[in-house]
Amino acid sequence: AQSVSQHNHHVILSEAASLELGCNYSYGGTVNLFWYVQYPGQHLQLLLKYFSGDPLVKGIKGFEAEFIKSKFSFNLRKPSVQWSDTAEYFCAVRGNNRLAFGKGNQVVVIP
Amino acid sequence: EAGVTQSPTHLIKTRGQQATLRCSPISGHTSVYWYQQALGLGLQFLLWYDEGEERNRGNFPPRFSGRQFPNYSSELNVNALELEDSALYLCASSVPVRTYEQYFGPGTRLTVT
Repeated sequence: AQSVSQHNHHVILSEAASLELGCNYSYGGTVNLFWYVQYPGQHLQLLLKYFSGDPLVKGIKGFEAEFIKSKFSFNLRKPSVQWSDTAEYFCAVRGNNRLAFGKGNQVVVIP
Repeated sequence: EAGVTQSPTHLIKTRGQQATLRCSPISGHTSVYWYQQALGLGLQFLLWYDEGEERNRGNFPPRFSGRQFPNYSSELNVNALELEDSALYLCASSVPVRTYEQYFGPGTRLTVT
């Protein structure tokens, strides 16, 4: 079964700082990888996804993620965060027709 | 387009009781997924229904069960509630050929006392 590890569960940073959230997965088959975001009081929504091709994926709101197959990683990055990026971020891997999620990163951006 | 809806928003039950949670998928979506989001544990996959059939199940005991109705809405039942069942239960839906693109509802907060 697939599994996902996310590190640094709580991240606090100032506006304009850069953000990088780590995600490592384990799955023996072809992976589809995702980052979801849950803003305070809102639904979980898809931020970006990787299926194949260019390992650098660009998503909404200036986020990007890089798939490194040799490291089983799919790290999320944003060069300059805003207060509105305060949210919980979840990495997920799809395999066996199910999504396996990590435990999430709670990100707080201080104005 | 209406999103995934879930009811009730909050549910308070006593240990040993049964809870029933409901989900209506986005129009045109035939697959429904259930997840448990417990504090500090992230989202755990519970069940996947498609075309009225249970297609996949996560590592949860049999007292977690559900069904999907002909209109593709779904029900999650939790029997013999335990304190550790307290969590946010999320429902998601997708079209069958795009099971990777799941749209989530707002969740039902279940509290077991």
